[in-house]
Amino acid sequence: SQKIEQNSEALNIQEGKTATLTCNYTNYSPAYLQWYRQDPGRGPVFLLLIRENEKEKRKERLKVTFDTTLKQSLFHITASQPADSATYLCALDTGGFKTIFGAGTRLFVKA
Amino acid sequence: DTGVSQDPRHKITKRGQNVTFRCDPISEHNRLYWYRQTLGQGPEFLTYFQNEAQLEKSRLLSDRFSAERPKGSFSTLEIQRTEQGDSAMYLCASSLAQGEAETQYFGPGTRLLVL
Repeated sequence: SQKIEQNSEALNIQEGKTATLTCNYTNYSPAYLQWYRQDPGRGPVFLLLIRENEKEKRKERLKVTFDTTLKQSLFHITASQPADSATYLCALDTGGFKTIFGAGTRLFVKA
Repeated sequence: DTGVSQDPRHKITKRGQNVTFRCDPISEHNRLYWYRQTLGQGPEFLTYFQNEAQLEKSRLLSDRFSAERPKGSFSTLEIQRTEQGDSAMYLCASSLAQGEAETQYFGPGTRLLVL
């Protein structure tokens, strides 16, 4: 069956460290993958999109990698700040205008 | 603010009642999506419109759910004979079709509680 898996346990890190979040998927061949941030009680906010032919994408302190062989994406936040605390969602395009979201990983950055 | 807006933000209803939610997308966006999200889960796709045409519906969407986008602008999502299991956050998103990759812009959601 098709699955998207993100770490269900919250990730706790110290301010200034790099946070690394994982997204694994099975039985999909997505053309692209996206990462969103979601704060409590609010809708998701788009962060980065990476295509299947791209290995890495960067935006300010954010970096995403996409390994279609391993069927995995890694999302990194460098020099993390308490304001980065949120839930981060991985989303796959299925090619039929339907985007499938993972359950998300909660990140807590301690000052 | 020209983002996606949703109304109401919160709705409490009794089981068996009908509810209707409204979504106003970003004005130039031609695609509109509805999702449902429960605690600890990611958004779950419900349905999708391109302009006024409803092009895809999730198999999870029961006959009690109906969505419209009559003039290709705002959309409504109606739930008839609500059940306690319908309690969730209902999210709307819009996007502009540009090639094969698109970014969806989400509204703040409508939180539904069915008693």
